Amino acid sequence: GAGVSQSPSNKVTEKGKDVELRCDPISGHTALYWYRQRLGQGLEFLIYFQGNSAPDKSGLPSDRFSAERTGESVSTLTIQRTQQEDSAVYLCASSSRTGGAPTEAFFGQGTRLTVV
Amino acid sequence: AQTVTQSQPEMSVQEAETVTLSCTYDTSESDYYLFWYKQPPSRQMILVIRQEAYKQQNATENRFSVNFQKAAKSFSLKISDSQLGDAAMYFCASSTSGTYKYIFGTGTRLKVLA
Repeated sequence: GAGVSQSPSNKVTEKGKDVELRCDPISGHTALYWYRQRLGQGLEFLIYFQGNSAPDKSGLPSDRFSAERTGESVSTLTIQRTQQEDSAVYLCASSSRTGGAPTEAFFGQGTRLTVV
Repeated sequence: AQTVTQSQPEMSVQEAETVTLSCTYDTSESDYYLFWYKQPPSRQMILVIRQEAYKQQNATENRFSVNFQKAAKSFSLKISDSQLGDAAMYFCASSTSGTYKYIFGTGTRLKVLA
């Protein structure tokens, strides 16, 4: 597709359930990022994939959070045993390199997760 | 470690007037890049302007320009001739050639008054 696609756009889940959020990056983009945005807050870095390198997981808030990426394509963010504080918008972005410099990060429209 | 600080949670500007949004950053890298993103109510993040740290000239995109003060680690965004469509959250961000990780500030909500 032309842009970063995320699904679902909205997800309501019961506390304690597991959820999977999906991100389709722009074709050819080697870098993929996940961010969390709580209501009225900034973007909190979660995890970053770059090509075949080991992902930077330094932003994952707990071991309930994990993410995978297959090659340079789709990524899935999984939250196990969801808690109410996990309620937020989860944004995915992808980017490429131009001569070694970070270019614009293109964002999807996010998944709004509500834990009830 | 990279940090980005936006100290203005909310700003207001009269339509057609000029407003400046502040941002300070810190990084140990010498090769880094700075960005301003706009997030309207639709949630879609849109790049407004990008600045390479090695360039002394301030970036400009139509009504949007930056004041990049490298020694002070300051990167403010100036919006001229403000329009109602400029109303949004504005996020300052930094990234480096080393990590490529984008670090965002907490954002400034801009209101444009008719």
